[in-house]
Amino acid sequence: DTGVSQDPRHKITKRGQNVTFRCDPISEHNRLYWYRQTLGQGPEFLTYFQNEAQLEKSRLLSDRFSAERPKGSFSTLEIQRTEQGDSAMYLCASSLSDRGDYEQYFGPGTRLTVT
Amino acid sequence: GESVGLHLPTLSVQEGDNSIINCAYSNSASDYFIWYKQESGKGPQFIIDIRSNMDKRQGQRVTVLLNKTVKHLSLQIAATQPGDSAVYFCAENTLTDKLIFGTGTRLQVFP
Repeated sequence: DTGVSQDPRHKITKRGQNVTFRCDPISEHNRLYWYRQTLGQGPEFLTYFQNEAQLEKSRLLSDRFSAERPKGSFSTLEIQRTEQGDSAMYLCASSLSDRGDYEQYFGPGTRLTVT
Repeated sequence: GESVGLHLPTLSVQEGDNSIINCAYSNSASDYFIWYKQESGKGPQFIIDIRSNMDKRQGQRVTVLLNKTVKHLSLQIAATQPGDSAVYFCAENTLTDKLIFGTGTRLQVFP
C-alpha cells in the first residue's frame, strides 16, 4: 500500500453514461497525476496538478474528460458520455516535488468497463 | 518524438537465476529514468531510478544500467524469486515530471 487511494476500484457503466473517479493522494504531496492504462500497455499520462492548479493536459484528454483538484488535496476525474474505448484502468499518482523527489507513488487504480 | 520502448514482451526465468530486462528510449535529452513493477490488479510500484549523470545504480537485488550512447537501459534482478513475477516498465521522467512509459515486459519465474 503506497498511501494513495482510489475509489471505486471497479466501475461498470453503460455507454453514454457519466462516471466520476476519486483519488486521495499522500497527504503532504503537492503533485497529483492521472494516467490511463489499457491491457498490455504502459500507463499513458492524462493530466497533472500542482496543488489545485491543473498544469498540463495530454491530447488524450478529450473534452469529455475533466479533472479537478479543488482544495489541492483529493482529485476527481469525470468522463462524460462514456464510450467503449474509454474502458481502461485509470491510475492516480502523487509526488512531493518541492524536495526534488521525483518518485511518483501510484494508487491501485480504478478499472472502468463500458458496455 | 519522445518514446520509451522495450525489446521483449515476455521473459521466463528459472527461480534463482538472474533476470535482465531491457529498454530503449528515443529522447536523447532525457535525464531521469525509473523502473516500475506492476503486479496484477495493482498500480505500478517504484523499484529503482537512475539519472543521466550515472551509468549504474544498485539496489537490493536490483541493478539498473544506463548506456546513453545507444539510449538503452536495463534492469537486472539477481537470484530471481517467484515474488518477482510481474510486468516491468521503464519510464522516462520528462521536464514536467510526467512519466512516459514503455509497453512493459512480463517476467515469469518458474521453479
